[in-house]
Amino acid sequence: DVKVTQSSRYLVKRTGEKVFLECVQDMDHENMFWYRQDPGLGLRLIYFSYDVKMKEKGDIPEGYSVSREKKERFSLILESASTNQTSMYLCASFPSGVFAYQQETQYFGPGTRLLVL
Amino acid sequence: AQTVTQSQPEMSVQEAETVTLSCTYDTSESDYYLFWYKQPPSRQMILVIRQEAYKQQNATENRFSVNFQKAAKSFSLKISDSQLGDAAMYFCAYRSATQGDDMRFGAGTRLTVKP
Repeated sequence: DVKVTQSSRYLVKRTGEKVFLECVQDMDHENMFWYRQDPGLGLRLIYFSYDVKMKEKGDIPEGYSVSREKKERFSLILESASTNQTSMYLCASFPSGVFAYQQETQYFGPGTRLLVL
Repeated sequence: AQTVTQSQPEMSVQEAETVTLSCTYDTSESDYYLFWYKQPPSRQMILVIRQEAYKQQNATENRFSVNFQKAAKSFSLKISDSQLGDAAMYFCAYRSATQGDDMRFGAGTRLTVKP
């Protein structure tokens, strides 16, 4: 089974702090994603990465950055946390290539609930 | 850009009854995949069922089935013989078969199952 883990389930930070959210997957997937989940808005894509050191902006990248130094790890960085970044953050992974389309689904981590005070 | 709409923020069903969750989507593509995900309270999001757009036959997984109407761009989820463990947020999602690997999600429907 694919396993996607996130470094924290719950996190409380203060406005202006730099925040790191870590995601690790153990299935050698090329693609990794960061979403935020808010009530009434569903999941919105922040950033994704299709290879080591590669990144693409999603729908709502403002205020966030990412890092992918190793294939299995994808980090989301809030450079200066703000209260409007209080949310649930979900990481997901997905393989590339022909096999990916046989799989056809993303695998999600358990989520990190971030509260910015 | 593709959009996914779930018009029912909340639904409830009596245990052992059947419930249908609605989902519509907007796309100009002909080849794509549709998914229903389940997110139980404080638990990981998991795939419930998937549908390939090129298949006319509706997907089924045990008590879960879909009604896929490609022309109407509708993809509803039917849960039969509802169980208490079905209580969760349900998300409908779309993924293009040809343009990238990211997915589009609906806003979600919170399903409550009454004993």
